[in-house]
Amino acid sequence: DGGITQSPKYLFRKEGQNVTLSCEQNLNHDAMYWYRQDPGQGLRLIYYSQIVNDFQKGDIAEGYSVSREKKESFPLTVTSAQKNPTAFYLCASTASNYGYTFGSGTRLTVV
Amino acid sequence: KNEVEQSPQNLTAQEGEFITINCSYSVGISALHWLQQHPGGGIVSLFMLSSGKKKHGRLIATINIQEKHSSLHITASHPRDSAVYICAVGIYGGSQGNLIFGKGTKLSVKP
Repeated sequence: DGGITQSPKYLFRKEGQNVTLSCEQNLNHDAMYWYRQDPGQGLRLIYYSQIVNDFQKGDIAEGYSVSREKKESFPLTVTSAQKNPTAFYLCASTASNYGYTFGSGTRLTVV
Repeated sequence: KNEVEQSPQNLTAQEGEFITINCSYSVGISALHWLQQHPGGGIVSLFMLSSGKKKHGRLIATINIQEKHSSLHITASHPRDSAVYICAVGIYGGSQGNLIFGKGTKLSVKP
């Protein structure tokens, strides 16, 4: 079945470390997105990519970086510059005029 | 003021009850999405609509463009419907991926 795979499900980061969250889709969708979810808040857009080798900053891109070298993959790196990285991260994809498909998320905790 | 408001924030129902969750928005939209988030965090897209009404099983979504309002109804509710229901809107003329999310309605259905 087609879908989005996010890994790992849980991730622990030490202060000052960079970590990379994986997002892979086999839906042949052109557009992919990263969202952050904090308790009591709506999802907020970090980065998105509409085609390979191109991506755009969302509302809260500071402290994050992405790449889109392949259509299927859109990894998110949480850098040490992100001062409050503990959150739930969701990856999504969409084809034009269709609804969104979301992954199961990665819960990142700073220890 | 949030651009997407959901009500109620929390809802407890008895199995079999008819449930309504409301979403109001203040911007021009291209489409409205209803999403379901289970306790594990993964999100499933339930509906995408830009006018009228859609039905899938026991779920019904309606939208009134003039009043900038949408409702999600669940008929014959069941404990497995317990989840957070999220309303999100795509901004008319906005960049793809720039959904604005409500904060969600947490539904608990008791047996």
